[in-house]
Amino acid sequence: SQQGEEDPQALSIQEGENATMNCSYKTSINNLQWYRQNSGRGLVHLILIRSNEREKHSGRLRVTLDTSKKSSSLLITASRAADTASYFCATDEEDSWGKFQFGAGTQVVVTP
Amino acid sequence: DVKVTQSSRYLVKRTGEKVFLECVQDMDHENMFWYRQDPGLGLRLIYFSYDVKMKEKGDIPEGYSVSREKKERFSLILESASTNQTSMYLCASSLGVAGALGNEQFFGPGTRLTVL
Repeated sequence: SQQGEEDPQALSIQEGENATMNCSYKTSINNLQWYRQNSGRGLVHLILIRSNEREKHSGRLRVTLDTSKKSSSLLITASRAADTASYFCATDEEDSWGKFQFGAGTQVVVTP
Repeated sequence: DVKVTQSSRYLVKRTGEKVFLECVQDMDHENMFWYRQDPGLGLRLIYFSYDVKMKEKGDIPEGYSVSREKKERFSLILESASTNQTSMYLCASSLGVAGALGNEQFFGPGTRLTVL
């Protein structure tokens, strides 16, 4: 069963705009990670946020985590055409031995 | 840089054939994973391994088996391929420390398998 579920399923924005996507999950986690996948490729790790953290930044990425609501958000600021990709959240459940649950992803299209 | 390689980018097989998908990582990672990815379903874990000769079933192990004879290599086997196994298969690896420290997974480029 899927642990993380992203929302929206698809997002279309123009260059320079911000893109926000959300992830909800069901059980207690050790950490939550966000990955990007360019069309037809493998996934690339973007950022990890631990269960005791509330916010984290990496370049143009900002991730928040609300464990009381079991949700996370990924914000991409000042988007570029190169940000066009699918974005997935992955949760590492507390006793999972490093096994992740991935959501179905948010497909982001950034038009010039 | 961590590199995870998969034996084929594209593969076409016939129903009933035995199919081997190979994955190799070069960073001495303990954990290795096989996922399949289908539109609208995200990544679903088939099998994972946390050590040589160790394997654990994921969410959808039916119709698949795995082999890990060496630390760097994790093979996915489709014993008798069926059309519903047409999918993108992704291999990943990570360090073996679990828990709050968190370990990113490094993915291979994927194998798009078509079963006719």
